[in-house]
Amino acid sequence: EPEVTQTPSHQVTQMGQEVILRCVPISNHLYFYWYRQILGQKVEFLVSFYNNEISEKSEIFDDQFSVERPDGSNFTLKIRSTKLEDSAMYFCASSELLAGSGELFFGEGSRLTVL
Amino acid sequence: GQQVMQIPQYQHVQEGEDFTTYCNSSTTLSNIQWYKQRPGGHPVFLIQLVKSGEVKKQKRLTFQFGEAKKNSSLHITATQTTDVGTYFCAGRVSSSNTGKLIFGQGTTLQVKP
Repeated sequence: EPEVTQTPSHQVTQMGQEVILRCVPISNHLYFYWYRQILGQKVEFLVSFYNNEISEKSEIFDDQFSVERPDGSNFTLKIRSTKLEDSAMYFCASSELLAGSGELFFGEGSRLTVL
Repeated sequence: GQQVMQIPQYQHVQEGEDFTTYCNSSTTLSNIQWYKQRPGGHPVFLIQLVKSGEVKKQKRLTFQFGEAKKNSSLHITATQTTDVGTYFCAGRVSSSNTGKLIFGQGTTLQVKP
């Protein structure tokens, strides 16, 4: 069964460092998303991406965040200068159809710990 | 801003008891999805409801979408230990054309054998 894969599974970084989280969405999917989940809390929308551009972003997704689809298969989330409060599980998701029309397929997540 | 509220936050039940989680949106939803997240896992899609008043069943799980398309519920009959996890509703606001899903806070279900 096709799945969304994410790397790394866990990253520990120092505050102020740059982090890149990588995702390989399901191959025929067109819509890509990043969500994050602070431990034990709700799943929060960060950004949606379609046709090689951001289609919507939340207020959390400020200038320190960026997304890219550099090579047609990978979908990356970059955090330019990490803060303590960026510590969370980051989930990548993809959808064949516009989410809300079809299901989101989530990856296993990348746990980011900022020290 | 748009909010999706979910209650209760936690529920502990004895195996065999029923369980219900409720979801309410501050705005009308075009549809609602439900996801289950096992401890340490990622959200996994369960179902989508689209029509006003819609009811869908999956074995022991019954999902409802309110007439006003602002609330939804998930009911599990005769819980089993395999039902343990956090159940999230996620709604798509009617006015959104980007597919953004807004998740509720989730209800974490513990089942005592």
